[in-house]
Parts: sequence; structure tokens; C-alpha cells
Amino acid sequence: AQSVTQPDIHITVSEGASLELRCNYSYGATPYLFWYVQSPGQGLQLLLKYFSGDTLVQGIKGFEAEFKRSQSSFNLRKPSVHWSDAAEYFCAVGAGAGGTSYGKLTFGQGTILTVHP
Amino acid sequence: KAGVTQTPRYLIKTRGQQVTLSCSPISGHRSVSWYQQTPGQGLQFLFEYFSETQRNKGNFPGRFSGRQFSNSRSEMNVSTLELGDSALYLCASSLGGPQPQHFGDGTRLSIL
Repeated sequence: AQSVTQPDIHITVSEGASLELRCNYSYGATPYLFWYVQSPGQGLQLLLKYFSGDTLVQGIKGFEAEFKRSQSSFNLRKPSVHWSDAAEYFCAVGAGAGGTSYGKLTFGQGTILTVHP
Repeated sequence: KAGVTQTPRYLIKTRGQQVTLSCSPISGHRSVSWYQQTPGQGLQFLFEYFSETQRNKGNFPGRFSGRQFSNSRSEMNVSTLELGDSALYLCASSLGGPQPQHFGDGTRLSIL
């Protein structure tokens, strides 16, 4: 069964500092990987996705993530955090190529990001 | 292009009642998935519909059911509501296949 672990429940950074949110996944083959962000009272917004190819993927709002197969990781990074980045971030894994469960995502428990001015 | 629309945004029900939630996907999207989000269990997959057929199902009791119409709009029904059903219910749509899902803002269901 597929699973996702986000080791950090809560991270606090200062505005302008760099950010890395960790994500480890378990999946039997090459998965599709996603990062979503959720603001209070809102749904989930897609930040970026990895399907195949270049292991460093760029997303919206200046975020990037790197897929490392050997470490089963897909960490999210941002070089300089803005106060508006404060939110909850979710890593998710979906069926990879050849899979049939495309419509099913398995999410991590989320990481709450607090940004200090 | 309009996003995923979920109605209503908020619902208050009592134990034993039933409820129906609605989801209108992005135009052209044929896959609709439903998720339950709670503080304790996080985001959990309920089921997915594609072209009016349930294609995937999560580990929820039979009280949770859904359907999809020919225009891809979907409804989710929960019968005999329990206190533990209080949650944010999120709907997501996609083109189907290996495509990212796009989420609505959810329906907040509170059970008294």
C-alpha cells in the first residue's frame, strides 16, 4: 500500500529565510508526486507535480521540489519565504505510470508553516 | 475557466440524519474524487468516479456513497450520520488518467 510521511508537523521560519519541507513516500513503482498548499477555510491548491523526467520540478509561487528515488523523498524548497506562504502544506502520492488508481491520492499528515516577520 | 464548485459550503445536521453534498467539476474534467479531512485522520480518500462509474473506493463504511451524472457533476451521500462524520469534505476533479487533481473549497459538515 502506498503511504506518505511528512516528519515535521510544524515549522517556523523568518521571512526571507529559506525553507525545506520534507516528504518521504512508499510506493511499489515510480509514483506520481504532488505538493499542495491549504490556507485556512480553503481547499487545496496544487503547487507542483512530478510525473517523470527531470527530477527537479518547478512550481508556482517560487517553489521547487526534487524527486530522489534512492531516498524515496520529494522535498519541497523555497529560497526566500514570504509572510503570505504561511499555510499548511501537503505532500501526496498517486498511481504512477501503468497504474489504475489515478483518481486516488494518498496524503501525508501535513506540515504547518508559520512565518515570523 | 471556473474551478471546482462545491455546495453547500457549510452544513449542520444531527445524528441519524442523512446529507447530500454536491460537486461541479472543472469543465471537461471527467474524473471526480472525494476526500474527507479531519484533524485526527487528515485527508482520506473516499471514492472516485469516472464517466459515471465508481473507479476507486477508499476504506469507508457503506453509509458513504456517491454518484456521478452524465455532465460529470457528482454527489456524495452520507446516511445515518454519526458525530465522527464531522469533517471538511473535499471534491477534486481531473481529466482522468495521470493528471493532477484540482480541489474545490470543500463542504464543512458539522454533526450535533
